[in-house]
Amino acid sequence: DGGITQSPKYLFRKEGQNVTLSCEQNLNHDAMYWYRQDPGQGLRLIYYSQIVNDFQKGDIAEGYSVSREKKESFPLTVTSAQKNPTAFYLCASTTVAGQQAFFGQGTRLTVV
Amino acid sequence: AQSVTQLDSQVPVFEEAPVELRCNYSSSVSVYLFWYVQYPNQGLQLLLKYLSGSTLVKGINGFEAEFNKSQTSFHLRKPSVHISDTAEYFCAVSRGGFQKLVFGTGTRLLVSP
Repeated sequence: DGGITQSPKYLFRKEGQNVTLSCEQNLNHDAMYWYRQDPGQGLRLIYYSQIVNDFQKGDIAEGYSVSREKKESFPLTVTSAQKNPTAFYLCASTTVAGQQAFFGQGTRLTVV
Repeated sequence: AQSVTQLDSQVPVFEEAPVELRCNYSSSVSVYLFWYVQYPNQGLQLLLKYLSGSTLVKGINGFEAEFNKSQTSFHLRKPSVHISDTAEYFCAVSRGGFQKLVFGTGTRLLVSP
């Protein structure tokens, strides 16, 4: 079955550490996105990529980094510069026409 | 730039009652409109979408929404809710063609017996 796989589902990080969240899709979609979800704030866009080896900052990119070396993969690194990283992170992908976004099951990151 | 407003953060309703979740958007160009549902600790699942054509859109699980261009609204409705409809619902707008989705802040639907 085609879809988006995020791993791990739960992740704990010590303060000052970088951590990488995985996102893989086998839908052959060109565009991929990372969103952050906090209670009462909806989803906010961190980074997005329309094509391999290219990506753009979203609304809250500070403290995050991404790469897009393969069409299927769009990993997100939460760096130590991110002051409040505890949140639920969602990865998504869309078709060329952008008519529907498909989401992964999310990764819940907790800083301990 | 587009924006989305979901007017109610929480909507309590009894089982088998009708429900409407409100969504208003702002955009100076034509947009695509979406409703997504999220169950606890899960990703988002598409309920329905408006791309063009008929303004009444039917989705999964008995939900429907009506696109009203003059009022810039896309309200979600269900004539009779079930306990299993308890979830968070997000309205979103996009200009399509790789344009990013802009989400509302969500409405939590609480269905009680």
